[in-house]
Amino acid sequence: QVQLQQWGAGLLKPSETLSLTCAVYGGSFTNYYWSWIRQPPGKGLEWIGEINHSGSTTYNPSLKSRVTISVDTSKNQFSLKLSSVTAADTAVYYCARGLSGTMVRGVMNYWGQGTLVTVSS
Amino acid sequence: DIVMTQSPDSLAVSLGERATINCKCSQSVFNSSKNKNYLNWYQQKAGQPPKLLIFWASTRESGVPDRFTGSGSGTDFTLTISSLQAEDVAVYYCQQYYTTPRTFGQGTKVEIK
Repeated sequence: QVQLQQWGAGLLKPSETLSLTCAVYGGSFTNYYWSWIRQPPGKGLEWIGEINHSGSTTYNPSLKSRVTISVDTSKNQFSLKLSSVTAADTAVYYCARGLSGTMVRGVMNYWGQGTLVTVSS
Repeated sequence: DIVMTQSPDSLAVSLGERATINCKCSQSVFNSSKNKNYLNWYQQKAGQPPKLLIFWASTRESGVPDRFTGSGSGTDFTLTISSLQAEDVAVYYCQQYYTTPRTFGQGTKVEIK
């Protein structure tokens, strides 16, 4: 059974860098795309970006200048960094796995438990 | 970006009755060469991550009850819960994967009347 377990700092000050990691347990790490999605409290979902096992990334243009998604295949982990955070970045951040195959990489069928990141001075 | 607009924002349905949620895309998410609509439906219960219900607009994910049905093509899609159960109380989201950035509808909250 595939499980995604995520962790990272939950409280940041404005201008700091958000850093989250997602570890994948069970199943293959290759042949999939791995995504980050966020959800401000009480609001909807926003896709941040995705990466495959080779390190090929696609980012949401609205965040592209501040986002880095990386992968460590030796540990079956992938990570998110978001720089220069503001209060507007306060959200629950989720990691997720897409279905196998390029056509379905945007179909996210396994999700992490979510991490609430609060940005406050 | 493809803008996804759901309607209604919320609805209250009696147990055992039908619930219908609509999703409209600002441009078509149908790929004619693949003959596929690149649209998902997710269910999110309070305090939980989203759960995939439907992909390819009408294909149920493994384990999803058959009371959940996805339909539509091009720009207009529908999620139908044929007989609402108490455990179906949740917020439902549509999402397109036709292109990046992946985009979601604003969500529809389903409650028991």
